[in-house]
Amino acid sequence: AQSVTQPDIHITVSEGASLELRCNYSYGATPYLFWYVQSPGQGLQLLLKYFSGDTLVQGIKGFEAEFKRSQSSFNLRKPSVHWSDAAEYFCAVGSSNTGKLIFGQGTTLQVKP
Amino acid sequence: DTAVSQTPKYLVTQMGNDKSIKCEQNLGHDTMYWYKQDSKKFLKIMFSYNNKELIINETVPNRFSPKSPDKAHLNLHINSLELGDSAVYFCASSHTPGLAYNEQFFGPGTRLTVL
Repeated sequence: AQSVTQPDIHITVSEGASLELRCNYSYGATPYLFWYVQSPGQGLQLLLKYFSGDTLVQGIKGFEAEFKRSQSSFNLRKPSVHWSDAAEYFCAVGSSNTGKLIFGQGTTLQVKP
Repeated sequence: DTAVSQTPKYLVTQMGNDKSIKCEQNLGHDTMYWYKQDSKKFLKIMFSYNNKELIINETVPNRFSPKSPDKAHLNLHINSLELGDSAVYFCASSHTPGLAYNEQFFGPGTRLTVL
């Protein structure tokens, strides 16, 4: 069955510190992978996506993610977190045929001053 | 210019009522989706339409009925509302899956509260 797991429900980091949010997926075919961010009371904004090619993808707001097929992972990273990065982060795997997105349960990021 | 818009933003209603949520996109996409986000922030797809044709219909009660009058609009009608329907409903749109990178653009959400 297709699924996405984000092991960390809640993460707190200090402003300026590095960040890594974990994502593991289970998908039969080559996955389309996404990271979305949701600020309080807002919709979801795409941070970055992986379809094929270079396994290290760059996104908006200084985020990057690395696809590791052997580990079925697509972890999100940022070298230096800003207070405005505090939000809910969702990893998702998508079907290339139907467009259906399966989301992880999300990770809440809190940033300490 | 709002890419994907939803109305209303908030909806408070009594159990047993019927309500509709509207979604419009001006991105020129031909596929639209409805997602439900529950109180634990878990997001799950409900429906999707491609060129007004239903292509995804997840296990959703029959009380939920999507309608797509044209490619730019996808509405969600809910009959006989129940307490468990309280959630945030997100609309999204994309190009046709399989033909292009099917990045989905999300609306701001409609928070439905059933009393």
